[in-house]
Amino acid sequence: AQTVTQSQPEMSVQEAETVTLSCTYDTSESNYYLFWYKQPPSRQMILVIRQEAYKQQNATENRFSVNFQKAAKSFSLKISDSQLGDTAMYFCAFMKPNNDMRFGAGTRLTVKP
Amino acid sequence: GAVVSQHPSWVICKSGTSVKIECRSLDFQATTMFWYRQFPKQSLMLMATSNEGSKATYEQGVEKDKFLINHASLTLSTLTVTSAHPEDSSFYICSRPIPGTYNEQFFGPGTRLTVL
Repeated sequence: AQTVTQSQPEMSVQEAETVTLSCTYDTSESNYYLFWYKQPPSRQMILVIRQEAYKQQNATENRFSVNFQKAAKSFSLKISDSQLGDTAMYFCAFMKPNNDMRFGAGTRLTVKP
Repeated sequence: GAVVSQHPSWVICKSGTSVKIECRSLDFQATTMFWYRQFPKQSLMLMATSNEGSKATYEQGVEKDKFLINHASLTLSTLTVTSAHPEDSSFYICSRPIPGTYNEQFFGPGTRLTVL
């Protein structure tokens, strides 16, 4: 079974600063996909960034980037120039090619003005 | 705009009654949809995979007779919580795969169920 671990239940960052959220996972699969989702107070799940395991290059989406270390099974999210609207729960997710998605426990991020 | 809708967004019911939650794919015919459960301040847990025209696939530990899933059309999947009890109170989220991608999912806005 695949497990996803987010070891930081809560984090805070000052507006405009950079923060990194950690995620590790355990799997015996060689082909898989990793995601970071944001869940704001509205509870709507929003995709932040995705990474295919076969790609060595780290994914980047504007202010969001990942540090994907396949051998270490680590997938951290870096948010640069943090904005107040980034305040939300962030979930790391693992997915096998058959669409079976597993989520970590989440990290509550608060961006302070 | 939204591509996955859920109805109702919030429902309160008495213990022992049954509640039906609808999940609609608004712009795509989905042969597969997913149902998740999220307890307060916790993560999403996959409950089952809804398959159009066939039986749902339930995750280990999820009671099939308790959580009835019907995927009668390519745009609608329903989750019925039968004989609901206070411990069934939770946030239920559905999703469907995004066509053209490997495995991304569009998530619905969720339904908050409170059982008194």
